[in-house]
This record gives sequence, structure tokens and C-alpha cells, in this order.
Amino acid sequence: DVKVTQSSRYLVKRTGEKVFLECVQDMDHENMFWYRQDPGLGLRLIYFSYDVKMKEKGDIPEGYSVSREKKERFSLILESASTNQTSMYLCASSFRGGANNEQFFGPGTRLTVL
Amino acid sequence: AQSVAQPEDQVNVAEGNPLTVKCTYSVSGNPYLFWYVQYPNRGLQFLLKYITGDNLVKGSYGFEAEFNKSQTSFHLKKPSALVSDSALYFCAVRDNSNSGYALNFGKGTSLLVTP
Repeated sequence: DVKVTQSSRYLVKRTGEKVFLECVQDMDHENMFWYRQDPGLGLRLIYFSYDVKMKEKGDIPEGYSVSREKKERFSLILESASTNQTSMYLCASSFRGGANNEQFFGPGTRLTVL
Repeated sequence: AQSVAQPEDQVNVAEGNPLTVKCTYSVSGNPYLFWYVQYPNRGLQFLLKYITGDNLVKGSYGFEAEFNKSQTSFHLKKPSALVSDSALYFCAVRDNSNSGYALNFGKGTSLLVTP
């Protein structure tokens, strides 16, 4: 089974703190994604990466950055956390293309910024 | 841009009755469509996908979805609902405009199955 793990299930941080969310997958997937999920808004893509050291902005990249130094690990960074970044963060991974590229999701990190 | 819409925020159905969760899509080219389910405080789980071929796609947990090109729809169905099917359901379409083929998700439909 594909396994996507996220470093924390719940996280509480203060405004202005630097926050790191880590995601690791064990299926040798090329693609990795970070989404945030908010009630009534569904999932919105923050950033994705299709290869090591490669990254592309999604729909809502402002206030976030990412790092992919190894194929299995994709980190989301909040440089200076703000209260409007309180949300559920979901990491996903998939093969790069073709027909078998459904995304597999981690359990999510619920981040609260006070 | 590729997008999907889920017109219902919530669907209520009695246990044992058939259920339908609706999804319509807007794409240029051939659509790659997906359904995911999310149980409380969990990540999303893949249910099924349509790439090409038969319009009726079978997936996990007894779910199926019907692809209808003329109506641009991809509704999720199950012949007999279970209380344990109560969850949040997301329809998604693959975005072919970027190199990572990210998914564009609908806003989700909350399914409540009552005993």
C-alpha cells in the first residue's frame, strides 16, 4: 500500500513563527503536492513538485514556500505564520503522468495559528 | 481551465436506499475524473477514476460512477447506502495545463446516511 505520512496531526503556532510541515511518501512517486482544505472551499493547491528540487506554484502560493531535496520528502514552509493560515494541510503524491496517476493523500495536519 | 462543480453541499439518504452524489465538469480535451472520500479527521481516500473506456466505472466500497459526456457529468452512485458511507465526498479533474497534472477539486458534498 502507498503510504504518505505527515509529521504532525495537530500543530499550534503563534503569529510570526516559522512553521515547517513535512511529508514523506514511500512509493517512489515523482509528483508531490500540498493542499489546504477549508470548509466550503474544498481543497486548494498551494504548491507542487514534479521532481527533486523542482517546484511550481499552485492557486494560492502567497505566504508559503516549499522544499524538495529528496524524492520522498516534500516540505511546506510558512515563513511567518498568520492567523489566516489556520487550516487543514494535506500532502499528496502520485506518479507523474499516464493513466495511473491518482493522488494518494496523507492524514493531514490541522494547523492553528494564534 | 479544467474544473468540476458539486451542486449539493449535503445529501441525506436512508440506509438501504440508493445514493447519488452529483458532479459536473468543464474541461478542454478529454477529462480525467476522480472521486475521493474523506472520513472525519482523515486524509482523502481514492474511490475511483475515469480515464477512458466504459462509461460506468466501478470503485472501492461498492461505489460506482457514471461518465456522461453529453451532460458533462460524473455522478457517484451506490445501490444501497450504509451508515458507514457518511463522509465528505470530493469530485476532481486532472489539470492538464501544468507539468505535475495536479487535481482541481470540487467544494465537496457531505453525505449523511441515517439508520
